Amino acid sequence: EPEVTQTPSHQVTQMGQEVILRCVPISNHLYFYWYRQILGQKVEFLVSFYNNEISEKSEIFDDQFSVERPDGSNFTLKIRSTKLEDSAMYFCASSRERGNTEAFFGQGTRLTVV
Amino acid sequence: AQSVTQLDSQVPVFEEAPVELRCNYSSSVSVYLFWYVQYPNQGLQLLLKYLSGSTLVKGINGFEAEFNKSQTSFHLRKPSVHISDTAEYFCAVSVTQGGSEKLVFGKGTKLTVNP
Repeated sequence: EPEVTQTPSHQVTQMGQEVILRCVPISNHLYFYWYRQILGQKVEFLVSFYNNEISEKSEIFDDQFSVERPDGSNFTLKIRSTKLEDSAMYFCASSRERGNTEAFFGQGTRLTVV
Repeated sequence: AQSVTQLDSQVPVFEEAPVELRCNYSSSVSVYLFWYVQYPNQGLQLLLKYLSGSTLVKGINGFEAEFNKSQTSFHLRKPSVHISDTAEYFCAVSVTQGGSEKLVFGKGTKLTVNP
């Protein structure tokens, strides 16, 4: 069964460092997303991406964040200068269509900023 | 703005008992509703979804949910739970505005099934 894969599963980084979280969406999907879940809190939308551009971003997704689809398969989230409050589980998701279909989620990357 | 409220943060039940996890949403437009499950240290897995049609939707692992438009609810039920159902359950609404779409999640309900 096709699945969304994320690497690494865990990432520890020092405050101020740049991190890149990687995702391989399902191959025939067209819509890509990043969500995050701070420990003990709800899953929050960060950004959606379609046709090689950002469709929507939340207020969390400030200038420190960027997304890219550098080739036909990977979808990355970059945090330029990490802060302690960026520590969270980051989920990548993809869907074939908008709205009326399932968004498939990856297993997540647990980012710890120290 | 669309929002999802899960009234119960934790629900403990005994094995083989029935369970209902409550979810209410607010939206001024047509909604697509979802329940996701997150097992410990794992990602989000879709349990079931309501897109249109029958208001009673059946999902995996014996779960079902009923869409009630007048009460803006989408409660999740299972008649008899197993230990393996212990997990966190998230209700979500799909919000489509213009050219973009996203899921808005509730805070989650932690279901603990005790022997």
